Amino acid sequence: GNSVTQMEGPVTLSEEAFLTINCTYTATGYPSLFWYVQYPGEGLQLLLKATKADDKGSNKGFEATYRKETTSFHLEKGSVQVSDSAVYFCASNAGGTSYGKLTFGQGTILTVHP
Amino acid sequence: DAGITQSPRHKVTETGTPVTLRCHQTENHRYMYWYRQDPGHGLRLIHYSYGVKDTDKGEVSDGYSVSRSKTEDFLLTLESATSSQTSVYFCATQAGQAYGYTFGSGTRLTVV
Repeated sequence: GNSVTQMEGPVTLSEEAFLTINCTYTATGYPSLFWYVQYPGEGLQLLLKATKADDKGSNKGFEATYRKETTSFHLEKGSVQVSDSAVYFCASNAGGTSYGKLTFGQGTILTVHP
Repeated sequence: DAGITQSPRHKVTETGTPVTLRCHQTENHRYMYWYRQDPGHGLRLIHYSYGVKDTDKGEVSDGYSVSRSKTEDFLLTLESATSSQTSVYFCATQAGQAYGYTFGSGTRLTVV
């Protein structure tokens, strides 16, 4: 079946540190891949996406590259800020008979300290 | 106006009572989804809809039913609420199969 596995947290960093949150997927067909962010008390917001191999999604200083050979979509940011503290979810749109349904990873809690 | 509105935002109800949560969208998106979010479980799909009167079960559908009589409204009903249904419920919409979701702000439901 389709699944998404992401790095377990929580992740605690100091401001301006480099961030990597790992995400790998299994899927039949050629999925689209997404990163969502959830701030406290809010719903999930789309952070970035990539729809085919070697695509790079980017937004607000975050980047992720669709790596088909390693079935990965790792989230990176060069210099995190306190305001980046949130929960991050990786997701896959598996396609095929799953139509548009997204499969989500478990979420990674990120806390950034001043 | 918010694209997706969930109501109520918070609700406390008693065990055994029926509860209906509403999701209203102004995006004219065809696809709509209900998820629950619980610590340690991430997001789990309850039910989804691919159009008016076209709904199907997700991975945790027991004890829940849905209805979609109009494109803009997707209702989730807990037929007889139990404490295990205490959770945060999120509605999401999707323009098409290749697109991501747009989420509502969630409904926090407590069953006592």
